[in-house]
Amino acid sequence: QSALTQPASVSGSPGQSITISCSGTSSDIGRYNFVSWYQQHPGKAPKLIIYDVTKRPSGVSDRFSGSKSGNTASLTISGLQAEDEAAYYCGSWMSNNTPYVFGPGTKVTVL
Amino acid sequence: QLQLQESGPGVVKPSETLSLTCAVSGDSFSNSRYFWGWIRQPPGEGLEWIGSISYSGTTYYSPSLRSRVTISVDTSKNQFSLKVKSVTAADTAVYYCARYNPYHFDYWGQGTLVTVSS
Repeated sequence: QSALTQPASVSGSPGQSITISCSGTSSDIGRYNFVSWYQQHPGKAPKLIIYDVTKRPSGVSDRFSGSKSGNTASLTISGLQAEDEAAYYCGSWMSNNTPYVFGPGTKVTVL
Repeated sequence: QLQLQESGPGVVKPSETLSLTCAVSGDSFSNSRYFWGWIRQPPGEGLEWIGSISYSGTTYYSPSLRSRVTISVDTSKNQFSLKVKSVTAADTAVYYCARYNPYHFDYWGQGTLVTVSS
């Protein structure tokens, strides 16, 4: 069981915006700006789409954006497209004892 | 462009040791900024961080796997390895290697499926 919490599924229609949450505690997400987000299509390796809460790697669409409020980080996908249908995982540095944890993942469905 | 490639047996018997290697091509392997990690994903389930190692050999492990996992680095071959001992069916998963660029994984291998079965 992950130390981070994500909704199991989120859906939206093409063109809409959706937001996926990733909840932690005041000791991890709330304390550090080290949240990252990964997109994974079936049968493929995960792809980094957001790091350090808000930063986008080169080549990642600006339709993906990240934010944080308190102990919860969020990934927003704007202008939802069919190709965005995938699983999305948050990840965070936690502590020296447990340097990294992934969230349980959220399945995004484009209606 | 950095590339990572996992290799190793696709089937391991219960109670035996799972061994995988990740070959890294690119010029960042010796850069002390980066760590090199292993992540696994059981069929139909989510990602689980296993552990990471630096070029100099500093390791970090997931508390839940620490007693069974060893990660090592071979700097002469630009590769790092994973060993998981006393495997059970619960260790069946796709195993990924990736570069840890504090504090995220920015380059991933394609993954390799390891099945624990007699």
